[in-house]
Amino acid sequence: TQLLEQSPQFLSIQEGENLTVYCNSSSVFSSLQWYRQEPGEGPVLLVTVVTGGEVKKLKRLTFQFGDARKDSSLHITAAQPGDTGLYLCAGAQGGSEKLVFGKGMKLTVNP
Amino acid sequence: GAGVSQSPSNKVTEKGKDVELRCDPISGHTALYWYRQRLGQGLEFLIYFQGNSAPDKSGLPSDRFSAERTGESVSTLTIQRTQQEDSAVYLCASSLVGTAYGYTFGSGTRLTVV
Repeated sequence: TQLLEQSPQFLSIQEGENLTVYCNSSSVFSSLQWYRQEPGEGPVLLVTVVTGGEVKKLKRLTFQFGDARKDSSLHITAAQPGDTGLYLCAGAQGGSEKLVFGKGMKLTVNP
Repeated sequence: GAGVSQSPSNKVTEKGKDVELRCDPISGHTALYWYRQRLGQGLEFLIYFQGNSAPDKSGLPSDRFSAERTGESVSTLTIQRTQQEDSAVYLCASSLVGTAYGYTFGSGTRLTVV
């Protein structure tokens, strides 16, 4: 059973399009993080959200943490080829020092 | 160092052989984590170190897997009698203030068991 479900799992779009990635769970998380991973590299932290309802913006990326702290979304505006990669959400649960990861969403942005 | 360093970057080994994977965390990071990433799968937690103790080793798949850490520095993940299902990318991460504020990952070791 996957604790964090990401959708879609794959997305191929044209440069300039918008997209949203979802990360859902039936469990509550004390914080949720988004990472981007490129081939042959480790994941790189994009953002951490800790408060239910929190919205964070990072240039063209907008991250939202659900009010109940069970889900999150990542919205990319005007996608660029440099956005191509595997987007992973990861959750931390109170009392545990390990992150639980979703399987990721593989994004390809075509020029 | 400036980042988390892992070695080797690639390792091909014969089934049944032992392998050692090394992780050099960011200086001063007390927390260190090992994860495994199999093709098409999410990151699978293996073990967590705080200093040189391992409060959570619940993710180690079998007794063929072990890990140690020297002080708040280098960690080694050892896989004995490797099997083909051990083929994966093994990722190490370190953190200064704990899980809630994110990890810094190394580039991983790609292990192939033939």
